[in-house]
Amino acid sequence: GQQLNQSPQSMFIQEGEDVSMNCTSSSIFNTWLWYKQDPGEGPVLLIALYKAGELTSNGRLTAQFGITRKDSFLNISASIPSDVGIYFCAPIYNTDKLIFGTGTRLQVFP
Amino acid sequence: GAGVSQSPSNKVTEKGKDVELRCDPISGHTALYWYRQSLGQGLEFLIYFQGNSAPDKSGLPSDRFSAERTGGSVSTLTIQRTQQEDSAVYLCASSPDSLYAGYTFGSGTRLTVV
Repeated sequence: GQQLNQSPQSMFIQEGEDVSMNCTSSSIFNTWLWYKQDPGEGPVLLIALYKAGELTSNGRLTAQFGITRKDSFLNISASIPSDVGIYFCAPIYNTDKLIFGTGTRLQVFP
Repeated sequence: GAGVSQSPSNKVTEKGKDVELRCDPISGHTALYWYRQSLGQGLEFLIYFQGNSAPDKSGLPSDRFSAERTGGSVSTLTIQRTQQEDSAVYLCASSPDSLYAGYTFGSGTRLTVV
């Protein structure tokens, strides 16, 4: 099966700090998605990347589709308390389902 | 509906009993997915429906697990003879079609087997 490594597993940061997390794989993908899961809720799509090398921003979020198509990173700038949650990468390669990374748990302290 | 609705939101059952979990997808979404999330873990794919057919049920953990979808809408995930290791959050998602990049998830059913 596809090996999908997401890191770090968890992060404990102070409000206002920037955050960076990434996913790497041994497989090539055509699309990278990033989701966020708030406690007690289902994951919600944050950003979608469709082209190798693509850099996309959504407010304080920035994500990039790696040029090798095997990795992606997500940055959050100037973190705030509501950024708390679990962040998942979910790449797609001509399949009918998403396979999710193991997740990065983010905790933000005031 | 406006979003993906799952019921019940919480279920506590005794080991050995059968449970049914329900998912109401967004109206018009043809693709429906079930995932399982154990405590502190990622999302594990269980089964995928396109219309009423299940082209991929490769993630079902054992023959105690089954799912069906009727009328291209509501889906039911059934777990027979529940075991403690079945305790998890079961998440349902839907999308307009199977190639759509991105799902809408429900809030999940938290299943506890005691």
